[in-house]
Amino acid sequence: GAVVSQHPSWVICKSGTSVKIECRSLDFQATTMFWYRQFPKQSLMLMATSNEGSKATYEQGVEKDKFLINHASLTLSTLTVTSAHPEDSSFYICSAPWGGSEQPQHFGDGTRLSIL
Amino acid sequence: TQLLEQSPQFLSIQEGENLTVYCNSSSVFSSLQWYRQEPGEGPVLLVTVVTGGEVKKLKRLTFQFGDARKDSSLHITAAQTGDTGLYLCAVGMGNQFYFGTGTSLTVIP
Repeated sequence: GAVVSQHPSWVICKSGTSVKIECRSLDFQATTMFWYRQFPKQSLMLMATSNEGSKATYEQGVEKDKFLINHASLTLSTLTVTSAHPEDSSFYICSAPWGGSEQPQHFGDGTRLSIL
Repeated sequence: TQLLEQSPQFLSIQEGENLTVYCNSSSVFSSLQWYRQEPGEGPVLLVTVVTGGEVKKLKRLTFQFGDARKDSSLHITAAQTGDTGLYLCAVGMGNQFYFGTGTSLTVIP
């Protein structure tokens, strides 16, 4: 069964809305989780590293105020896309490592975000 | 510049043909992973390679880690339609985890 649960799987909303995506680790604790963005037929682009109890580490070019990350517990990280616009439409995926960051990752099933 | 460059980016072949996907970098890694992803789903781990020169086989898939641990290849023998998908190499560096540029494979019946 799934070891990382991501919710919701599909969101359609109007421009200007803020959308929250949850990523939960099931049956294990994750001090670190990763958030990715993916366009069709392209690879996963790391957006940020979510760190439990501290600020997220954002990759270059990713707007911190646009993509708010909160890792409030050892099993939950959330990504909030604030004031979403059509260009934010994408597939967002989270992952949590089996061990350290160099270890294989458990992935959520992704969230398809469509902004009208 | 991308940390991991994959080639080719797109590949369309007939069922039964062989193919090789490459993952290259100028950096040295302690390990490297290969994943396969289908549309609308998260990536699924295929293999982890750790030792320079290591070769691992998974049924018709053969994975090799370069001697210098900077590159890797994935060879598929007698491709099947079920092999269609996005193939991704990936590495962990520092406290981050990065994917290669991806190879989209389509196997035509």
